[in-house]
Amino acid sequence: GIQVEQSPPDLILQEGANSTLRCNFSDSVNNLQWFHQNPWGQLINLFYIPSGTKQNGRLSATTVATERYSLLYISSSQTTDSGVYFCAVRTTDSWGKLQFGAGTQVVVTP
Amino acid sequence: DTGVSQDPRHKITKRGQNVTFRCDPISEHNRLYWYRQTLGQGPEFLTYFQNEAQLEKSRLLSDRFSAERPKGSFSTLEIQRTEQGDSAMYLCASSPQGGVNQPQHFGDGTRLSIL
Repeated sequence: GIQVEQSPPDLILQEGANSTLRCNFSDSVNNLQWFHQNPWGQLINLFYIPSGTKQNGRLSATTVATERYSLLYISSSQTTDSGVYFCAVRTTDSWGKLQFGAGTQVVVTP
Repeated sequence: DTGVSQDPRHKITKRGQNVTFRCDPISEHNRLYWYRQTLGQGPEFLTYFQNEAQLEKSRLLSDRFSAERPKGSFSTLEIQRTEQGDSAMYLCASSPQGGVNQPQHFGDGTRLSIL
């Protein structure tokens, strides 16, 4: 099956810093989503981005499907950005199952 | 537009007992998914419904697990004869019509603890 690799596995940031999270995938995909799982376990949709670039406030994402990677940018980080960020992809041979990466654990310190 | 609703939020039970979880998808979403997440891991796919039809099942879904969506609205996931390894967060997601290339929206999950 498809492999989804996220890097780095852990990230510690000081409030106000910028960061980039990466997601590499091993096969063609029709769907790519970025999620934020907060400390209470809620999985929040950030972006649906099978290709191209999107921005939402301090967050933005870029997917280059032909090169099989996606990037999530966090600018001016805040303590509320802490949590785990997951990348998930759907392959062309699936009805709709998302394959998740292992996540990037982000801690933003005051 | 309310989100995906899951009940209960937490379930503690003794090994060997049966448990059932419920998921109410976003209104008019015809696609419904179940995932399981263990500590420190990303969610893993269990099964997928389009309306009332169960179209995809993971090998993770052993014969102790059964999922239904009888009227194409809410869904239930039952685990029989629970084992320690079943302790996990069970997540439900839904997505709208318009093909499988639609974003999935997740509920807050049911956290299962087996004593």
